[in-house]
Amino acid sequence: DQQVKQNSPSLSVQEGRISILNCDYTNSMFDYFLWYKKYPAEGPTFLISISSIKDKNEDGRFTVFLNKSAKHLSLHIVPSQPGDSAVYFCAASAVYQGGSEKLVFGKGTKLTVNP
Amino acid sequence: ETGVTQTPRHLVMGMTNKKSLKCEQHLGHNAMYWYKQSAKKPLELMFVYNFKEQTENNSVPSRFSPECPNSSHLFLHLHTLQPEDSALYLCASTSGVEYTDTQYFGPGTRLTVL
Repeated sequence: DQQVKQNSPSLSVQEGRISILNCDYTNSMFDYFLWYKKYPAEGPTFLISISSIKDKNEDGRFTVFLNKSAKHLSLHIVPSQPGDSAVYFCAASAVYQGGSEKLVFGKGTKLTVNP
Repeated sequence: ETGVTQTPRHLVMGMTNKKSLKCEQHLGHNAMYWYKQSAKKPLELMFVYNFKEQTENNSVPSRFSPECPNSSHLFLHLHTLQPEDSALYLCASTSGVEYTDTQYFGPGTRLTVL
């Protein structure tokens, strides 16, 4: 059962335009969400996060939106740059009974920004 | 060196071999993680160590055996693996074990089991 879904395996946008990466989740226990970026031959690097008490978090060109009722979050990159071409992973965190936490990742979306 | 390093970067092994993956973090963190990234699958958490103590084993087969001798080093011992174990194995570290802490990942070890 895939609790975090990134339904678009790839996305291609033109330099300077907006990139929108989507992520859906099924577990209502998730209360913290993160986006990671991964270049080939490198480990994922943290990009931006959002707590479930907020619906928007902005950091420079990157904005994450959270719609709790729809169990949906999205990452907006404006303006997109060729250096943004990478695989973007959505991740969600929950605290379970007993205090253990779990971090679940989506499959990733490969973003290509064309010059 | 800084950050999280992993060796080897690439490993090819037979099903009867025994090998080990090594991870080292130079960030002064207290928690370390092993993840498995298979093609077209989500990143899977395998093990979590907090202050050298294993706090999570995410139903990983016993042919994968982790070892954490200190807070800076983490090993993954491999024996009698299967071809479906071929994947990218990522190590990560955080200052604590709360997932709100940013995870710093190593570059990964690309493992191929023949």
